[in-house]
Amino acid sequence: GENVEQHPSTLSVQEGDSAVIKCTYSDSASNYFPWYKQELGKGPQLIIDIRSNVGEKKDQRIAVTLNKTAKHFSLHITETQPEDSAVYFCAALFAGGGADGLTFGKGTHLIIQP
Amino acid sequence: SAVISQKPSRDICQRGTSLTIQCQVDSQVTMMFWYRQQPGQSLTLIATANQGSEATYESGFVIDKFPISRPNLTFSTLTVSNMSPEDSSIYLCSVDNLRGQETQYFGPGTRLLVL
Repeated sequence: GENVEQHPSTLSVQEGDSAVIKCTYSDSASNYFPWYKQELGKGPQLIIDIRSNVGEKKDQRIAVTLNKTAKHFSLHITETQPEDSAVYFCAALFAGGGADGLTFGKGTHLIIQP
Repeated sequence: SAVISQKPSRDICQRGTSLTIQCQVDSQVTMMFWYRQQPGQSLTLIATANQGSEATYESGFVIDKFPISRPNLTFSTLTVSNMSPEDSSIYLCSVDNLRGQETQYFGPGTRLLVL
């Protein structure tokens, strides 16, 4: 099955700086890669996603890049703000037939220092 | 945007008892999933809730422990049976094909503490 590795486990950045979270996946057949933000006491919220036929996607201060050859994808947050503090999870969906759930990374606790 | 709700939002239960968690979506969806998130951990898929047929369970999860129902395209239940303290977790349902969008959206979760 799919395996997703996520780094770092904790990331502390100064407000206004950029943050980058990286993930690698094992199954080259995976074709969909979402990122979720989870605040304390809430369910994960989808913030951006990318499909395997696209190399980069941007949405305001958030961007995701995908390198299919290396099997890794990254989340980039620019001009970080205190409300960006949360746990971020990457995930991968294996499209091997049938309906499958997502395989998640272990999460990154992002701390924005004022 | 669509609304996914779960009941109860939290509960404290005694070991040996069972709890049924409900997931309701305000529009019809093709797929519904149940995940577990143990304290401070990532999300692990328990099973896919199939409408009109038995759920499909992931390795390490069995129907006797986590029976699932999916009576229609907007509702599913997960039961945590014969609970032990190790079952203390957040249980999350997710849906995809929400209004034609091919991605997964999560409910707010049910926080379960087993004493």
